[in-house]
Amino acid sequence: QVQLQESGPGLVRPSETLSLTCTVSGASINSLYWSWIRQPPGKGLEWIGYIYYSGSTTYNPSLRSRVSLSVDRSKNQFSLKVRSVTAADTAIYFCARENRDRAFDIWGRGTLVTVSS
Amino acid sequence: SYELTQPPSVSVSPGQTASITCSGDKLGDKYVCWYQQRPGQSPVLVIYQNIKRPSGIPERFSGSNSENTATLTIRGTQAIDEADYFCQAWDSSTLIFGGGTRLTVL
Repeated sequence: QVQLQESGPGLVRPSETLSLTCTVSGASINSLYWSWIRQPPGKGLEWIGYIYYSGSTTYNPSLRSRVSLSVDRSKNQFSLKVRSVTAADTAIYFCARENRDRAFDIWGRGTLVTVSS
Repeated sequence: SYELTQPPSVSVSPGQTASITCSGDKLGDKYVCWYQQRPGQSPVLVIYQNIKRPSGIPERFSGSNSENTATLTIRGTQAIDEADYFCQAWDSSTLIFGGGTRLTVL
């Protein structure tokens, strides 16, 4: 069964870079689209962007200037970086698989990242 | 920018039908997905391409999408259906989520 697991620091200082990795198990990352989605505590979902296994990316215009996604096919992982973070970037960060029907059918459990000094 | 609007909350009695709407300009021209999120859990896909149910999702969940409104319908609502529900659609190359609806089963 396909599983996704987020990993990375739970605390990031303001103005620094948030870095998270999603490890895919039970399936190859060499197909489909892989996304990051975040959810501020008690609020709604916000799509950050997706990466195709080839490395091509699409980002949410509201975050494009500060975000980058990358993929490591040898490790079956994809990663997220958010630069110059502020308290507004505090959220649960989910990684998710987008299937051929353009729906998120597999989600990670999410990881809480707090931006604070 | 494109927006999807959902009511913040919907209440329903056990066994009754719950309807959750999602509104957007010409939304009927797009494919809509619906996700269920129970407290402390990750979202779960319950409807995709407006009307299709993934395997494992009960038949009481159904969807529709016409003109400017998509609707998630839950027939014979059960206590376990109490959760937040989010609609989602693509606008050009940007993925949009609705603000979410808290379904309360009273």
